[in-house]
Amino acid sequence: SQTIHQWPATLVQPVGSPLSLECTVEGTSNPNLYWYRQAAGRGLQLLFYSVGIGQISSEVPQNLSASRPQDRQFILSSKKLLLSDSGFYLCAWRGLAGGMETQYFGPGTRLLVL
Amino acid sequence: AQTVTQSQPEMSVQEAETVTLSCTYDTSESDYYLFWYKQPPSRQMILVIRQEAYKQQNATENRFSVNFQKAAKSFSLKISDSQLGDAAMYFCAYSMWGAQKLVFGQGTRLTINP
Repeated sequence: SQTIHQWPATLVQPVGSPLSLECTVEGTSNPNLYWYRQAAGRGLQLLFYSVGIGQISSEVPQNLSASRPQDRQFILSSKKLLLSDSGFYLCAWRGLAGGMETQYFGPGTRLLVL
Repeated sequence: AQTVTQSQPEMSVQEAETVTLSCTYDTSESDYYLFWYKQPPSRQMILVIRQEAYKQQNATENRFSVNFQKAAKSFSLKISDSQLGDAAMYFCAYSMWGAQKLVFGQGTRLTINP
């Protein structure tokens, strides 16, 4: 079965520091991968998605970037964090189950920028 | 642009009772998918149920069922025999067929009263 991992689970970083969040998927090959952000008390906003190694699409202009160095690895980065980068970051992969494309989410990373 | 609206920020129900969460969406597409995700206090997004727009039959998963009204662009979630473990934020989401993006509503916080 497929599993998705994210780390770290929680991160507290000062403004201006760099960021690297990692997401890995097991049990599938060449998955579509996604990074979402959830601000407090709100729904999810798609940040980036990737359909293959080195292929990144950005949904919103921002202080963040994404990379996919390996088939099942997706990384979210920043060179200098802003206070507004605080939030809950979720990684997801898309699978085909019962003939229907469905996104499945990882456990998430809580980021607090101080 | 597609939008998803959940008009009930909070709902509560007595344990063992039935509750219905509302969701409406706006799209000009005819082929799409609809989802309900549950986000418990751990904040991991868990798939509850999904529906393909071309299927007229409402999806069911154990105690969870939907009322899909395509013409009205409505996709409500019914939880029967509510249990304490059902307490969570519930998000309605839309995806155009073949698209990468999931569009989420703002969520409904469901409280189960013992």
